[in-house]
Amino acid sequence: NAGVMQNPRHLVRRRGQEARLRCSPMKGHSHVYWYRQLPEEGLKFMVYLQKENIIDESGMPKERFSAEFPKEGPSILRIQQVVRGDSAAYFCASSPQYTEAFFGQGTRLTVV
Amino acid sequence: TQLLEQSPQFLSIQEGENLTVYCNSSSVFSSLQWYRQEPGEGPVLLVTVVTGGEVKKLKRLTFQFGDARKDSSLHITAAQPGDTGLYLCAGEYSGTYKYIFGTGTRLKVLA
Repeated sequence: NAGVMQNPRHLVRRRGQEARLRCSPMKGHSHVYWYRQLPEEGLKFMVYLQKENIIDESGMPKERFSAEFPKEGPSILRIQQVVRGDSAAYFCASSPQYTEAFFGQGTRLTVV
Repeated sequence: TQLLEQSPQFLSIQEGENLTVYCNSSSVFSSLQWYRQEPGEGPVLLVTVVTGGEVKKLKRLTFQFGDARKDSSLHITAAQPGDTGLYLCAGEYSGTYKYIFGTGTRLKVLA
């Protein structure tokens, strides 16, 4: 059973471009979480999704950030018009239901 | 705002020593998890505790959940250099279905 897969592992974007981060949950998991981690800091909750539904997006910036988890395919975290402050590691986690979450290896976004 | 505080923030010890890391909140958790994260990698789940007073062991690691489910501790016996990493606790508050992470404890075990 493959773990949570995130791609790309590393992403470089120029200021003003769009960043798309993908997350394929573990097989059988229908709950997906996205977290952001700045260097030397803990993980900050961004959004919690179930298939086709956003359950809690209280940690998402109001502008430029969006997330989806379609019926088919991976979950996508989309950042429009990136700025330097968006540079961080973005982690996705999945769980089968309201239980423990398993993390992917993350996408490291660098905005230049 | 729900906060999870971990202490100490940094810990540097010699191989063979014992240590305890703490995770505290003013709110009650439905469940709490401990993770270890190494540089450049995602957090790896170590354990989940659910019941107040619960104790779980994973080789040299002992995890305890407070009776009131507001705090937890991780005790490592005879630490080894391979235990080096960032230890994170994450709590799920009743009805929220999301995991809030603590500030982390950065452990370094010297050979």
